[in-house]
Amino acid sequence: GAGVSQSPRYKVAKRGQDVALRCDPISGHVSLFWYQQALGQGPEFLTYFQNEAQLDKSGLPSDRFFAERPEGSVSTLKIQRTQQEDSAVYLCASSLWDSGGVELFFGEGSRLTVL
Amino acid sequence: AQSVAQPEDQVNVAEGNPLTVKCTYSVSGNPYLFWYVQYPNRGLQFLLKYITGDNLVKGSYGFEAEFNKSQTSFHLKKPSALVSDSALYFCAVRDGKMASGTYKYIFGTGTRLKVLA
Repeated sequence: GAGVSQSPRYKVAKRGQDVALRCDPISGHVSLFWYQQALGQGPEFLTYFQNEAQLDKSGLPSDRFFAERPEGSVSTLKIQRTQQEDSAVYLCASSLWDSGGVELFFGEGSRLTVL
Repeated sequence: AQSVAQPEDQVNVAEGNPLTVKCTYSVSGNPYLFWYVQYPNRGLQFLLKYITGDNLVKGSYGFEAEFNKSQTSFHLKKPSALVSDSALYFCAVRDGKMASGTYKYIFGTGTRLKVLA
């Protein structure tokens, strides 16, 4: 596609429900990042994929958070047993290379509200 | 660890006036610095980056940023602000190598720019 696509754009979940957030990166982009953006804050790193390999998951806040990218393209961020503190915008970003000097292309985000 | 600071939560400027959004950084080694803009309910859009070379970097929508090594700053500037520039601006720095051999990006807390007509 033309850009990074995320779905759903908005998700309301009851506390304790599981949610799955999808990211479809730009075709051919090797690197894929997930970030969490709380209200009024900057994006915070969650996890990184290089193709299908999850090379860094140091930012995942708990073992309730799980991400995958099984075929090296679409990625899913899953949150189990959601809590109110999980309410945030979840941003996906991709880049062509992983050289570190390349800008990230962001999706519009998935806004999760946990009641 | 690398970090960035955006000391102003909000900047107000009159349309047509020059604008500056401040960013300072802390890195070990050569800094890779970025500016992104976020409009309401949208993702972040890349504006410009400094990797090496000229200290004055030009980017999208007439924005530019000045890299100052001695002051460890990377302030975003525009000579003449537009109302449509009103948005949230984020400074970012490339963090050190992860175990994978690649990098992650650290973002500041953001500065809300409000351009008044």
